[in-house]
Amino acid sequence: AQSVTQLGSHVSVSEGALVLLRCNYSSSVPPYLFWYVQYPNQGLQLLLKYTTGATLVKGINGFEAEFKKSETSFHLTKPSAHMSDAAEYFCAVSERYGNKLVFGAGTILRVKS
Amino acid sequence: NAGVTQTPKFRILKIGQSMTLQCTQDMNHNYMYWYRQDPGMGLKLIYYSVGAGITDKGEVPNGYNVSRSTTEDFPLRLELAAPSQTSVYFCASSYNRGSSYNEQFFGPGTRLTVL
Repeated sequence: AQSVTQLGSHVSVSEGALVLLRCNYSSSVPPYLFWYVQYPNQGLQLLLKYTTGATLVKGINGFEAEFKKSETSFHLTKPSAHMSDAAEYFCAVSERYGNKLVFGAGTILRVKS
Repeated sequence: NAGVTQTPKFRILKIGQSMTLQCTQDMNHNYMYWYRQDPGMGLKLIYYSVGAGITDKGEVPNGYNVSRSTTEDFPLRLELAAPSQTSVYFCASSYNRGSSYNEQFFGPGTRLTVL
């Protein structure tokens, strides 16, 4: 069965600092990988996805993630944090020919001024 | 396009009451999903549907029922509400064909409290 582990339920960074949110997955075959963001009292919004091709994926709002098969990781980064990035971030995995997402527990990002 | 809409936004139920959470999408997506979100637990799949008339259980289906009579609507029914069903419920939809990736679009959620 697939599973997703997000290291760190809370991450705090200063405005302008690097954002690094960690995600590791377990899957018997290379999966599809996603990062979603949830702002307070809202639904989830897709940040970026990896399906095939280039392993470095760029998403919205300056975020990017790199699929590393050897490390079974899909960490999310942003070079310079902005106050508006404060939200909860979810990593998710899906089978290549499946239709169900398995979510990690989420990481709440706090950005300090 | 309104996307995925959910009603109500908030609801308080007493133990043993029943209710239906409504979900509608206008994107002609074939797949629809219901998740519940609990603090520190991420989202757990309750039920999903691959098309009108077809539904299947997810990871946490106990205490819930669904139906899918049309492409657009996917209501979630709670029978005999229990405090353990206090949660935020999200409906989502996606378009899936073969090996195409399955980006899911989420509604704004329904916050349910059972007292």
